[in-house]
Amino acid sequence: DIQMTQSPSSLSAVVGDRVNISCRASQSINTYVNWYQQTPGTAPKVLIYAATSLQSGVPSRFSGSGSGTDFTLTITSLQPEDFATYYCQQSYVTPRTFGQGTKVEIK
Amino acid sequence: QVQLQESGPGLVKPSQTLSLTCTLSGGSISSGSFYWSWIRQPAGKGLEWIGHIYTSGSTNYNHSLKNRVTISVDTSKNQFSLKLSSVTAADTATYYCARATATKMSVFDIWGQGTMVTVSS
Repeated sequence: DIQMTQSPSSLSAVVGDRVNISCRASQSINTYVNWYQQTPGTAPKVLIYAATSLQSGVPSRFSGSGSGTDFTLTITSLQPEDFATYYCQQSYVTPRTFGQGTKVEIK
Repeated sequence: QVQLQESGPGLVKPSQTLSLTCTLSGGSISSGSFYWSWIRQPAGKGLEWIGHIYTSGSTNYNHSLKNRVTISVDTSKNQFSLKLSSVTAADTATYYCARATATKMSVFDIWGQGTMVTVSS
């Protein structure tokens, strides 16, 4: 199975901050990575697919980059509604696997 | 708009079979090219892909669940279902159904709200 490792596991930030979340795959997966946001008690919601493509309706302050094994989700100018847990997920092969999550908390 | 809704018992006894159904509204489960998927999340933990069924009916399961999983589809009811046999406390989780695009860059683009299942006697 392909292991997805996110860093950091959690971070504290303030509104307006620029935030970077990293995700590393255990083998090369081209750009077969998606990013999701999950707030407590709700289902995950896709933000970025295919490493860099912004899902329809998602604010442009979210962006994704990377290819091969290293990927990054960037939030420019963090907003109050962005405090959540973020997951990367590979769609290169089955079983589909997710990172362990990065919790973005209010400083 | 397209929506998914899980349903099923919230409490299952150990060694029994967990059965959940996901109902699609706002679209047809037999049209388009999608993977109708199940994903679970233990409380406070990460996401685990359980498996999916393709529009054609072919299935793909997570081998970590060791042949305990069956996913099926009922096109007449616009539903797909999950059966997980021989459950233990480790199967306690929130279970989500989701739609994944059956493209090269597959993504879970629509999710149900999730249903919590507890395995306990």
